[in-house]
Amino acid sequence: EVQLVESGGDLLQPGGSLRLSCATSGFSFSSHAMTWVRQAPGKGLEWVSSVSASGGSTYYADSVEGRFTISRDNSKNTLFLQMNSLRAEDTAVYYCAKDRITISWDFDYWGQGTLVTVSS
Amino acid sequence: DIQMTQSPSSMSASVGDRVTFTCRASQTINKYLNWYQQKPGKAPKLLIYSGSSLQSGVPSRFSGSGSGTDFTLTISSLQPEDFATYYCQQSFSTPLTFGGGTKVDI
Repeated sequence: EVQLVESGGDLLQPGGSLRLSCATSGFSFSSHAMTWVRQAPGKGLEWVSSVSASGGSTYYADSVEGRFTISRDNSKNTLFLQMNSLRAEDTAVYYCAKDRITISWDFDYWGQGTLVTVSS
Repeated sequence: DIQMTQSPSSMSASVGDRVTFTCRASQTINKYLNWYQQKPGKAPKLLIYSGSSLQSGVPSRFSGSGSGTDFTLTISSLQPEDFATYYCQQSFSTPLTFGGGTKVDI
């Protein structure tokens, strides 16, 4: 059974930093691109960042470029999102998602989400 | 960036209705359009990928069509468990983008 479990969400002040993790199991992690998608309270889905299967290629939304860093540890089947210089507008539930095939940019499995709240 | 526009933003329907949602891309995305269903407090669920391919395990009452810039998602006979919000997403190029969603309620 494929499982994705996010962790690391928290309440923090503007300007702070946070590292999200997504522990996975049940599939060949090193064979799939992975993605972070967020959803602000009461709002729609927003793509945040993606990483290729090897970790060699990364992609970011303009809204987080330069502040967030996506990475992965294929030996531990885990995806990360390092979030720096956090802003109130980064408040959202953050989901990790698995590419349906190696790199398809569509997502067949999602985690349950982890809440990040940025507020003074 | 490719903008995705969904219409309507919300709709009311009844069990058994045939419902159709529309998603329009600001530029051609060939067939690279995906549909997700999301229920409150839950993660999105992939329904349709590549415009018209039904994801494994998804009931056949769901179907997708379109290419280029205009796409539709159809539910042939709405079931109680289908009341949810539906999002389209283009997978043609980064930045990947989602539509604003269509909420279906009773």
